[in-house]
Amino acid sequence: EAQVTQNPRYLITVTGKKLTVTCSQNMNHEYMSWYRQDPGLGLRQIYYSMNVEVTDKGDVPEGYKVSRKEKRNFPLILESPSPNQTSLYFCASSSSGGPLGTQYFGPGTRLTVL
Amino acid sequence: GDSVTQMEGPVTLSEEAFLTINCTYTATGYPSLFWYVQYPGEGLQLLLKATKADDKGSNKGFEATYRKETTSFHLEKGSVQVSDSAVYFCALSGGNTGKLIFGQGTTLQVKP
Repeated sequence: EAQVTQNPRYLITVTGKKLTVTCSQNMNHEYMSWYRQDPGLGLRQIYYSMNVEVTDKGDVPEGYKVSRKEKRNFPLILESPSPNQTSLYFCASSSSGGPLGTQYFGPGTRLTVL
Repeated sequence: GDSVTQMEGPVTLSEEAFLTINCTYTATGYPSLFWYVQYPGEGLQLLLKATKADDKGSNKGFEATYRKETTSFHLEKGSVQVSDSAVYFCALSGGNTGKLIFGQGTTLQVKP
């Protein structure tokens, strides 16, 4: 089954404790992206990757890192999480980074930083 | 910069009622327009899309027409069901970064 998977689905952590949210897709998509969803703000892009070893900032990259060493994986790293990073995070992938590409979303990771 | 504005929710309807969720956008160039749906506890699923002016996207009884003159992409359905209860997001994609710009989402609740 074609899908985007994320782990963990739920995470409660404390300020400053490094964490990684994994994202994996089995559709051989070149393009992957991370979004965060906050009430009243919709989804905002954090980082994106056009292909392996090619990443770039989205609209809200502060406090996050990403890497793209393999085509299928695109982990989101929070080196020193803070309470304002409490949010619902979605990974997405697309066969094309252009405006016509359809993005497929993972199930989401709900992160709480205390 | 580019932006999407959706009508405020929540929207509460009775089963078989007509649905309209308004969406307007501001963008340079000619973006593609999308409606995504998020069912409780799930990720976003593409509902429909339109890639150029006057295109009509449709799926599962939902429709939306890309209106360049009014910069709108309103979502409609003739007869909603309880199973349509979800959060609906309007989004646009322009340029070459693949970034989707989302509206704030509209919660739809359909009562039997």
